[in-house]
Amino acid sequence: DTGVSQNPRHKITKRGQNVTFRCDPISEHNRLYWYRQTLGQGPEFLTDFQNEAQLEKSRLLSDRFSAERPKGSFSTLEIQRTEQGDSAMYLCASSLGWPGASSNYGYTFGSGTRLTVV
Amino acid sequence: DAKTTQPNSMESNEEEPVHLPCNHSTISGTDYIHWYRQLPSQGPEYVIHGLTSNVNNRMASLAIAEDRKSSTLILHRATLRDAAVYYCSRMDSSYKLIFGSGTRLLVRP
Repeated sequence: DTGVSQNPRHKITKRGQNVTFRCDPISEHNRLYWYRQTLGQGPEFLTDFQNEAQLEKSRLLSDRFSAERPKGSFSTLEIQRTEQGDSAMYLCASSLGWPGASSNYGYTFGSGTRLTVV
Repeated sequence: DAKTTQPNSMESNEEEPVHLPCNHSTISGTDYIHWYRQLPSQGPEYVIHGLTSNVNNRMASLAIAEDRKSSTLILHRATLRDAAVYYCSRMDSSYKLIFGSGTRLLVRP
């Protein structure tokens, strides 16, 4: 297993266009997370999945954002009608985790997709 | 969501120990404390985590205050490869990580 893979690494798009990012998590991980990171800031939570079920959506995730994880494997994050304020690094992470577990596990992050909206 | 607070930057000499502090005074009793580090153009990398007891692994040690309102990440001998942004974060009961703004560690040769 080569870890969490994100594609593309970089995306430049014109304002108003739609973009889609893909994340391939570690295969045995049941949890998947999307974060957004802007320059000089820590990652901010967007949404997460337990297998194929989407659990929580941050208020940062406007109606223009949608995420899916069909069959509980890879995940996609789509941004419709991009705005300049969407420019950021989009990070995907995966982990093991079960509700009520007595312990928890660290995340494995991908290298991210850097989005620039011009 | 209450975030953790850390100094913006710290400096260390190579091969000396480094103590990176973090304040999480509003942490709940079931939240875990996690530390990650991030190199430029890479995603964060897991370093260590704990709940109440001090923890050690091959990368670092984590000292958690008895009242859990603060913690310290300890790098026992800093190397140039340890230069990174270190994030103290808390993991809530839904496994969501909430990051602070991080400490940029500079290591002088």
